[in-house]
Amino acid sequence: EAGVAQSPRYKIIEKRQSVAFWCNPISGHATLYWYQQILGQGPKLLIQFQNNGVVDDSQLPKDRFSAERLKGVDSTLKIQPAKLEDSAVYLCASSWQGGGTGELFFGEGSRLTVL
Amino acid sequence: GNSVTQMEGPVTLSEEAFLTINCTYTATGYPSLFWYVQYPGEGLQLLLKATKADDKGSNKGFEATYRKETTSFHLEKGSVQVSDSAVYFCAPHTNAGKSTFGDGTTLTVKP
Repeated sequence: EAGVAQSPRYKIIEKRQSVAFWCNPISGHATLYWYQQILGQGPKLLIQFQNNGVVDDSQLPKDRFSAERLKGVDSTLKIQPAKLEDSAVYLCASSWQGGGTGELFFGEGSRLTVL
Repeated sequence: GNSVTQMEGPVTLSEEAFLTINCTYTATGYPSLFWYVQYPGEGLQLLLKATKADDKGSNKGFEATYRKETTSFHLEKGSVQVSDSAVYFCAPHTNAGKSTFGDGTTLTVKP
């Protein structure tokens, strides 16, 4: 079974530029998550999708971050314009469903450096 | 909101030493409890889980018991190996499908 795929693995941009990250979850997983992990901290939830609907985006900085999951499969996370404090690893995770016993399956992450 | 407090690291142990990493949490409802591990250069992966009070999750010699009365889920291993060197994350998962992660505890095991 293929795991969660993310790209690109690494991205370096100047502040005020834009960047997009892509995630393809495990086949059949209805729930998809984007997390931000700053160095030395645990992952922080940015947005949760159930199929193609948003379940929780309360922690997403909507003035600069956007995410979509148009067909309920793969997803894109965009940052525009980027700030220095956006330097982090962006993790995509998926689960079979959002229920209480749901194990999360993570991709390897996309490391963003903003200069 | 939900929160997790993990034992601060880094933790450095000699091979075959006993390991405890403390984790306490606050969460709405009755969460399932997970430990995830991140080995160097790899993504996070599930280490073990427990879904109800007094359940013990176990995997690869690691154990953790769901203690509802103290809202804790401490990770233990009787004899660590060099290959256990990694970052460990405690994460309650609520019925709403939300996982909250601690800041992680870095373990280094020396031969």
